[in-house]
Amino acid sequence: EVQLVQSGAEVKQPGESLKISCKTSGYTFTSHWISWVRQMPGRGLEWMGQIFRDDSDITYNPAFQGQVTISADKSFGVAYLHWSSLKASDTAMYFCARHRDRSGSGLDYWGQGTQVTVSS
Amino acid sequence: QSVLTQTPSVSGAPGQRVTISCTGSSSNIGAGYGVHWYQQLPGTAPKLLIYDTWNRPSGVPDRFSASKSGTSASLAITGLQAEDEADYFCQCYDSSLSTSLFGGGTKVTVL
Repeated sequence: EVQLVQSGAEVKQPGESLKISCKTSGYTFTSHWISWVRQMPGRGLEWMGQIFRDDSDITYNPAFQGQVTISADKSFGVAYLHWSSLKASDTAMYFCARHRDRSGSGLDYWGQGTQVTVSS
Repeated sequence: QSVLTQTPSVSGAPGQRVTISCTGSSSNIGAGYGVHWYQQLPGTAPKLLIYDTWNRPSGVPDRFSASKSGTSASLAITGLQAEDEADYFCQCYDSSLSTSLFGGGTKVTVL
């Protein structure tokens, strides 16, 4: 069974760093792209970027380029989303999701989401 | 305002047919990139309903169907059920922005 299990909710202060994770299982990690998607409170979905296999193949939404870092450890089948300095506007639910086959294909399996709250 | 424009809300009685539109441009839907549709129930992760414009993943009821014409795509729900009350999002790649995009979402209400 394909599963994407995300790390738990986080409450951070502005300026702090944070790395959340997405642990995959039930399929070959190196065969599928993984995307990260943001959903701000009461808002729609925003595609942030994607990674394939390891840190050598990453694509960012230009709106998120430089704001976050996507990485992965293919040995453990885990994808990460990292902030070096959080802002209050980073408060949102973050989802990881697996691409069905190729880059640009639909997202067929999703993590449960990680709530990130940034507040002083 | 989203590059992929969706009607904010649609409603229908049980058993009726509703359609959700996703209007784009020549750099996304009109360029032939696949359109994907998702259903998001309150407090849950989105679920893939349609991929590559027309295709249903296994397990998705055939009450859900999709089409495309020019720079717009549509999702139709026939035989509307109470459990279909949710937010629906379209997704497509945009070559001008060099990124994948989601539409702003459509809330479906079952009367």
